[in-house]
Amino acid sequence: GAGVSQTPSNKVTEKGKYVELRCDPISGHTALYWYRQSLGQGPEFLIYFQGTGAADDSGLPNDRFFAVRPEGSVSTLKIQRTERGDSAVYLCASSLPTGATGELFFGEGSRLTVL
Amino acid sequence: RKEVEQDPGPFNVPEGATVAFNCTYSNSASQSFFWYRQDCRKEPKLLMSVYSSGNEDGRFTAQLNRASQYISLLIRDSKLSDSATYLCVVNKGGGNKLTFGTGTQLKVEL
Repeated sequence: GAGVSQTPSNKVTEKGKYVELRCDPISGHTALYWYRQSLGQGPEFLIYFQGTGAADDSGLPNDRFFAVRPEGSVSTLKIQRTERGDSAVYLCASSLPTGATGELFFGEGSRLTVL
Repeated sequence: RKEVEQDPGPFNVPEGATVAFNCTYSNSASQSFFWYRQDCRKEPKLLMSVYSSGNEDGRFTAQLNRASQYISLLIRDSKLSDSATYLCVVNKGGGNKLTFGTGTQLKVEL
Protein backbone atom coordinates (compact mmCIF):
# COMPACT_ATOMS: atom_id res chain seq x y z
CA GLY A 1 0.00 0.00 0.00
CA ALA A 2 0.93 3.67 -0.09
CA GLY A 3 0.86 4.24 3.67
CA VAL A 4 3.45 3.86 6.44
CA SER A 5 4.12 0.20 7.03
CA GLN A 6 5.27 -1.20 10.38
CA THR A 7 6.35 -4.70 11.29
CA PRO A 8 5.72 -6.69 13.35
CA SER A 9 2.20 -5.61 14.23
CA ASN A 10 2.49 -7.51 17.51
CA LYS A 11 5.54 -8.65 19.42
CA VAL A 12 5.57 -10.56 22.69
CA THR A 13 8.95 -10.98 24.33
CA GLU A 14 10.45 -11.80 27.68
CA LYS A 15 12.10 -9.35 30.01
CA GLY A 16 15.76 -8.89 29.11
CA LYS A 17 15.43 -9.80 25.44
CA TYR A 18 16.39 -7.66 22.43
CA VAL A 19 13.70 -6.36 20.07
CA GLU A 20 13.74 -4.70 16.65
CA LEU A 21 10.77 -2.83 15.20
CA ARG A 22 10.75 -1.83 11.56
CA CYS A 23 9.16 1.14 9.77
CA ASP A 24 8.81 1.72 6.03
CA PRO A 25 7.69 5.33 5.45
CA ILE A 26 5.65 6.79 2.61
CA SER A 27 7.76 7.11 -0.52
CA GLY A 28 9.16 10.62 -0.84
CA HIS A 29 8.80 11.47 2.85
CA THR A 30 12.26 12.39 4.07
CA ALA A 31 11.19 13.00 7.66
CA LEU A 32 10.53 9.97 9.87
CA TYR A 33 9.41 9.90 13.51
CA TRP A 34 9.08 7.30 16.22
CA TYR A 35 6.53 7.74 18.98
CA ARG A 36 5.46 5.48 21.85
CA GLN A 37 1.89 5.26 23.12
CA SER A 38 0.99 3.66 26.42
CA LEU A 39 -2.58 2.76 27.34
CA GLY A 40 -4.67 5.85 28.07
CA GLN A 41 -1.94 8.23 27.00
CA GLY A 42 -1.19 10.25 23.90
CA PRO A 43 1.76 9.42 21.67
CA GLU A 44 5.11 10.36 23.23
CA PHE A 45 7.94 11.55 20.96
CA LEU A 46 11.05 9.37 20.83
CA ILE A 47 13.22 10.33 17.85
CA TYR A 48 13.07 12.19 14.53
CA PHE A 49 15.11 11.59 11.38
CA GLN A 50 15.60 14.01 8.53
CA GLY A 51 17.15 11.83 5.85
CA THR A 52 19.69 9.41 7.31
CA GLY A 53 20.64 11.35 10.42
CA ALA A 54 18.80 11.65 13.71
CA ALA A 55 17.80 15.30 13.85
CA ASP A 56 16.43 14.99 17.38
CA ASP A 57 16.72 11.98 19.69
CA SER A 58 15.78 13.82 22.86
CA GLY A 59 12.77 11.61 23.50
CA LEU A 60 14.64 8.32 23.78
CA PRO A 61 14.13 7.30 27.44
CA ASN A 62 17.56 5.78 28.02
CA ASP A 63 20.50 4.13 26.26
CA ARG A 64 18.65 0.84 25.83
CA PHE A 65 16.77 2.50 22.97
CA PHE A 66 18.42 3.18 19.63
CA ALA A 67 17.13 3.85 16.11
CA VAL A 68 18.76 3.85 12.72
CA ARG A 69 17.82 4.87 9.21
CA PRO A 70 20.92 3.96 7.17
CA GLU A 71 19.64 4.73 3.67
CA GLY A 72 17.19 7.48 4.47
CA SER A 73 14.12 5.32 3.99
CA VAL A 74 13.39 2.30 6.21
CA SER A 75 14.06 2.78 9.91
CA THR A 76 14.58 0.28 12.71
CA LEU A 77 13.94 0.98 16.39
CA LYS A 78 16.08 -1.25 18.60
CA ILE A 79 15.40 -1.94 22.25
CA GLN A 80 17.98 -3.80 24.32
CA ARG A 81 17.38 -5.63 27.61
CA THR A 82 13.63 -5.05 27.43
CA GLU A 83 11.75 -4.22 30.62
CA ARG A 84 8.05 -4.63 31.43
CA GLY A 85 7.69 -0.85 31.36
CA ASP A 86 8.65 -0.86 27.67
CA SER A 87 5.29 -2.45 26.86
CA ALA A 88 3.43 -0.02 24.60
CA VAL A 89 2.42 0.62 20.99
CA TYR A 90 5.37 1.97 19.03
CA LEU A 91 4.15 4.27 16.28
CA CYS A 92 6.16 5.34 13.28
CA ALA A 93 5.18 8.38 11.21
CA SER A 94 6.51 10.16 8.18
CA SER A 95 5.94 13.60 6.71
CA LEU A 96 6.73 15.72 3.72
CA PRO A 97 10.12 17.43 3.83
CA THR A 98 8.92 21.00 3.50
CA GLY A 99 7.71 23.10 6.37
CA ALA A 100 6.02 22.20 9.63
CA THR A 101 2.54 21.42 8.43
CA GLY A 102 1.68 19.33 11.46
CA GLU A 103 0.54 16.47 9.32
CA LEU A 104 2.22 13.25 10.31
CA PHE A 105 1.15 10.07 8.57
CA PHE A 106 1.24 7.29 11.11
CA GLY A 107 1.53 3.57 10.61
CA GLU A 108 -0.73 1.19 12.51
CA GLY A 109 1.96 0.63 15.11
CA SER A 110 3.85 -2.27 16.60
CA ARG A 111 2.32 -3.46 19.86
CA LEU A 112 5.12 -4.62 22.16
CA THR A 113 4.37 -6.72 25.21
CA VAL A 114 7.23 -7.54 27.58
CA LEU A 115 6.41 -10.40 29.96
CA ARG B 1 2.87 19.62 34.77
CA LYS B 2 2.22 18.07 31.36
CA GLU B 3 3.02 20.19 28.30
CA VAL B 4 -0.45 19.63 26.86
CA GLU B 5 -3.39 18.98 29.18
CA GLN B 6 -6.81 17.64 28.27
CA ASP B 7 -9.79 16.27 30.16
CA PRO B 8 -9.67 12.52 29.33
CA GLY B 9 -13.48 12.16 29.48
CA PRO B 10 -15.30 10.11 28.37
CA PHE B 11 -17.86 12.52 27.05
CA ASN B 12 -21.07 10.58 26.38
CA VAL B 13 -23.44 12.60 24.19
CA PRO B 14 -26.59 11.81 22.21
CA GLU B 15 -26.54 11.90 18.46
CA GLY B 16 -27.14 15.44 17.20
CA ALA B 17 -25.65 17.13 20.26
CA THR B 18 -23.00 19.82 20.23
CA VAL B 19 -19.89 19.01 22.24
CA ALA B 20 -16.80 21.05 23.04
CA PHE B 21 -13.32 19.92 24.07
CA ASN B 22 -10.68 22.11 25.62
CA CYS B 23 -6.95 21.88 25.94
CA THR B 24 -4.21 23.98 27.53
CA TYR B 25 -0.51 24.05 26.72
CA SER B 26 2.35 25.21 28.90
CA ASN B 27 5.02 26.38 26.46
CA SER B 28 4.28 29.92 25.31
CA ALA B 29 6.84 29.51 22.50
CA SER B 30 4.67 26.87 20.81
CA GLN B 31 4.20 27.74 17.19
CA SER B 32 1.44 25.66 15.68
CA PHE B 33 -1.53 23.69 16.92
CA PHE B 34 -3.64 20.81 15.73
CA TRP B 35 -6.38 18.35 16.58
CA TYR B 36 -5.83 14.70 15.72
CA ARG B 37 -8.44 11.96 15.86
CA GLN B 38 -7.67 8.41 16.99
CA ASP B 39 -10.14 5.56 16.64
CA CYS B 40 -9.94 2.63 19.03
CA ARG B 41 -6.76 0.59 18.41
CA LYS B 42 -5.97 2.62 15.31
CA GLU B 43 -3.33 5.21 14.46
CA PRO B 44 -3.85 8.96 15.00
CA LYS B 45 -4.88 11.01 11.98
CA LEU B 46 -4.85 14.77 11.48
CA LEU B 47 -8.33 16.24 11.91
CA MET B 48 -7.55 19.93 11.49
CA SER B 49 -5.10 22.71 12.17
CA VAL B 50 -5.97 25.41 14.69
CA TYR B 51 -5.55 29.13 14.07
CA SER B 52 -6.04 32.23 16.23
CA SER B 53 -8.67 33.48 13.82
CA GLY B 54 -10.60 30.26 14.29
CA ASN B 55 -11.25 27.80 11.52
CA GLU B 56 -14.13 25.62 10.52
CA ASP B 57 -14.33 22.36 8.58
CA GLY B 58 -17.91 21.26 8.16
CA ARG B 59 -19.32 20.44 11.60
CA PHE B 60 -15.95 21.02 13.28
CA THR B 61 -14.69 24.37 14.56
CA ALA B 62 -11.28 24.90 16.14
CA GLN B 63 -10.08 27.95 18.05
CA LEU B 64 -6.78 29.08 19.54
CA ASN B 65 -6.31 31.66 22.29
CA ARG B 66 -2.58 32.38 22.49
CA ALA B 67 -2.88 34.74 25.44
CA SER B 68 -4.55 32.05 27.56
CA GLN B 69 -2.62 29.17 25.91
CA TYR B 70 -5.92 27.47 25.30
CA ILE B 71 -7.21 25.44 22.34
CA SER B 72 -10.75 24.29 21.70
CA LEU B 73 -12.66 21.98 19.37
CA LEU B 74 -16.41 22.23 18.82
CA ILE B 75 -18.36 19.47 17.13
CA ARG B 76 -21.90 20.29 16.03
CA ASP B 77 -24.63 17.78 15.17
CA SER B 78 -22.63 14.82 16.52
CA LYS B 79 -22.74 11.58 14.55
CA LEU B 80 -22.19 8.05 15.80
CA SER B 81 -19.09 7.99 13.58
CA ASP B 82 -17.58 10.88 15.56
CA SER B 83 -16.95 8.47 18.46
CA ALA B 84 -13.18 8.47 18.91
CA THR B 85 -10.40 9.99 20.99
CA TYR B 86 -9.50 13.57 20.11
CA LEU B 87 -5.86 14.49 20.68
CA CYS B 88 -4.76 18.08 21.21
CA VAL B 89 -1.36 18.61 19.59
CA VAL B 90 1.27 21.34 19.80
CA ASN B 91 4.35 21.96 17.66
CA LYS B 92 7.16 23.88 19.36
CA GLY B 93 9.04 24.22 16.09
CA GLY B 94 11.81 22.27 14.39
CA GLY B 95 10.02 20.26 11.80
CA ASN B 96 6.98 18.24 12.79
CA LYS B 97 8.11 17.19 16.25
CA LEU B 98 4.66 17.17 17.83
CA THR B 99 3.64 17.04 21.48
CA PHE B 100 0.36 15.23 22.09
CA GLY B 101 -2.11 15.54 24.93
CA THR B 102 -3.54 12.41 26.52
CA GLY B 103 -6.69 12.72 24.42
CA THR B 104 -10.38 13.22 25.18
CA GLN B 105 -12.65 10.29 24.54
CA LEU B 106 -16.00 10.98 22.86
CA LYS B 107 -18.84 8.48 22.71
CA VAL B 108 -21.86 9.46 20.63
CA GLU B 109 -24.94 7.40 21.45
CA LEU B 110 -28.33 6.83 19.84
